Amino acid sequence: KQEVTQIPAALSVPEGENLVLNCSFTDSAIYNLQWFRQDPGKGLTSLLLIQSSQREQTSGRLNASLDKSSGRSTLYIAASQPGDSATYLCAVSDSSGTYKYIFGTGTRLKVLA
Amino acid sequence: KAGVTQTPRYLIKTRGQQVTLSCSPISGHRSVSWYQQTPGQGLQFLFEYFSETQRNKGNFPGRFSGRQFSNSRSEMNVSTLELGDSALYLCASSLEADYEQYFGPGTRLTVT
Repeated sequence: KQEVTQIPAALSVPEGENLVLNCSFTDSAIYNLQWFRQDPGKGLTSLLLIQSSQREQTSGRLNASLDKSSGRSTLYIAASQPGDSATYLCAVSDSSGTYKYIFGTGTRLKVLA
Repeated sequence: KAGVTQTPRYLIKTRGQQVTLSCSPISGHRSVSWYQQTPGQGLQFLFEYFSETQRNKGNFPGRFSGRQFSNSRSEMNVSTLELGDSALYLCASSLEADYEQYFGPGTRLTVT
């Protein structure tokens, strides 16, 4: 059974710092991995999608990497800003055709001005 | 292009009642998934529909059901509401279930 873990559960950093969020999954047979952000009480906003054949994806100040063999993904945020404060979630879809994503519990990020 | 829309945004119901939530996917998307989000359990998969067929269902009691219409719009229904059903219900659409998912704003259900 696929399990997704995100460490740390919460993180507080001063503005301008570069930071890394971690996502681990127990079954390496994944199809896609997707990173989201969620603002309090709101829906999820897609940040990056990494297909199983890819090693990384970049969008602006965000870079996500994927290492399937070790069951890990990282989300790198460069030059953090207060507007980056949110909960970041990773989710994996497995390759067995179950048509669903399994979500991690998230990392709550606070960027201090 | 319009995003995923969910109605209503907020609902307050009493134990024992039933509720129907609606989700309109992004135009052209045929896969719609539903998730329940609570502080204690996080995001949990409810079910996924594609071309009016339910292809997978999460580990929820039979009180939770759904359907998808020919225009890909989807509804989920919860009967005999319990206090523990209070949650944010999120709908996501995609071209195919394993592709990039786009979420709606959610429906906040409170059961009293």
